[in-house]
Amino acid sequence: IQMTQSPSSLSASVGDRVTITCRASQGISRWLAWYQQKPGKAPKLLIYSISSLQTGVPSRFSGSGSGTDFTLTVSSLQPEDFATYYCQQANSFPWTFGQGTKVEIK
Amino acid sequence: EVQLVQSGAEVNKPGDTLKISCQSSGYNFTNYWIGWVRQMPGKGLEWMGIIYPDDSETRYSPSFQGQVTISVDKSISTAYLRWNSLKPSDTAMYYCARPGNGAFDYWGQGTLVTVSS
Repeated sequence: IQMTQSPSSLSASVGDRVTITCRASQGISRWLAWYQQKPGKAPKLLIYSISSLQTGVPSRFSGSGSGTDFTLTVSSLQPEDFATYYCQQANSFPWTFGQGTKVEIK
Repeated sequence: EVQLVQSGAEVNKPGDTLKISCQSSGYNFTNYWIGWVRQMPGKGLEWMGIIYPDDSETRYSPSFQGQVTISVDKSISTAYLRWNSLKPSDTAMYYCARPGNGAFDYWGQGTLVTVSS
């Protein structure tokens, strides 16, 4: 299953609402997760099962979608949110990641 | 506390054999899959494969099938990633990670593998 994210990168300001999209090449039920990765660090799980917030993740992060189209939204971008974000499907092996979306400071 | 601790950075030559490790603690090792993820310099995350320690059932991405071997030693709660003949294109950071609900909720710190003559 191929996962396609858009955009590949975006520039935004602190306080902006940011939306990242992930499209699967076929239906993946609820097996969709989102990660945040900062330079030199391991990825961090933000959202699992499309919309479930991982423990400790701020509520400004949310996930939505169904079938093949999914969205990660950051309601009010904070300085610590500038990072690269990846979606990942676990509906069937091999699990696959999207190519990533880099969120940069405008 | 769940922890995944990976072995240290490696510098190897093309053609070398290499095995890196990922030691788990804080949970029942045999009850959770353990996966491996590659990140080449400046690039995205690539799912390599996954193993279920209880019975060693292993699944590989087609991109990595035959290129690496994933194994476990249940007695020491450790997963391994092995290459029989390294190539310069294997230069990357390699992460182990434990999934829960289909998502990797715990990650190792990463092992940097550099292959250069």
